[in-house]
Amino acid sequence: AQKITQTQPGMFVQEKEAVTLDCTYDTSDPSYGLFWYKQPSSGEMIFLIYQGSYDQQNATEGRYSLNFQKARKSANLVISASQLGDSAMYFCAMREGKGYSTLTFGKGTMLLVSP
Amino acid sequence: GAVVSQHPSWVICKSGTSVKIECRSLDFQATTMFWYRQFPKQSLMLMATSNEGSKATYEQGVEKDKFLINHASLTLSTLTVTSAHPEDSSFYICSATINQETQYFGPGTRLLVL
Repeated sequence: AQKITQTQPGMFVQEKEAVTLDCTYDTSDPSYGLFWYKQPSSGEMIFLIYQGSYDQQNATEGRYSLNFQKARKSANLVISASQLGDSAMYFCAMREGKGYSTLTFGKGTMLLVSP
Repeated sequence: GAVVSQHPSWVICKSGTSVKIECRSLDFQATTMFWYRQFPKQSLMLMATSNEGSKATYEQGVEKDKFLINHASLTLSTLTVTSAHPEDSSFYICSATINQETQYFGPGTRLLVL
């Protein structure tokens, strides 16, 4: 079974609108962390947001927020007020266990923001 | 924020030659660095985990004799692709971690083996 599932290969959104990128995960470890990274066409991986399994509140970083639903094992990324520069691949990733930081990545979602 | 650099950003080489890629953490000391490979339109696949001063831990299916990793200091790890072949052409990207939680990635190295 895949540990990280991103079911949307591509998403379109208009500038200034909000968009949700889906991510579900599978782990039996009670301690884990969930990450979202953005990869523009240049290839660099840009860290966006982190959610720990024990965090009580959903993580937020500027226009990015993580809709963490532990019972459903989902960690969707919400981008508010989309900008043209948000067009990129977005990867959800998980780290399992404490103090062991290997990441498992999903297949990614390509987001295209139109004017 | 934490900055990780890679050098070179692009390399083209002939089949059979060896290529060295450097990964540096510029403003922090990284006890652990990771090397990933990404083929076009695919996700990142972890190749190996590198800890300073010790041997790298390779993922299943990754040939340790082909992909030599050296982590000589807390700010530098190198990946050497030995006797490169066209099938080794890929995007190689490293990351470094400060607190065992967040990984910060380098800009990647595109390798093309002719």
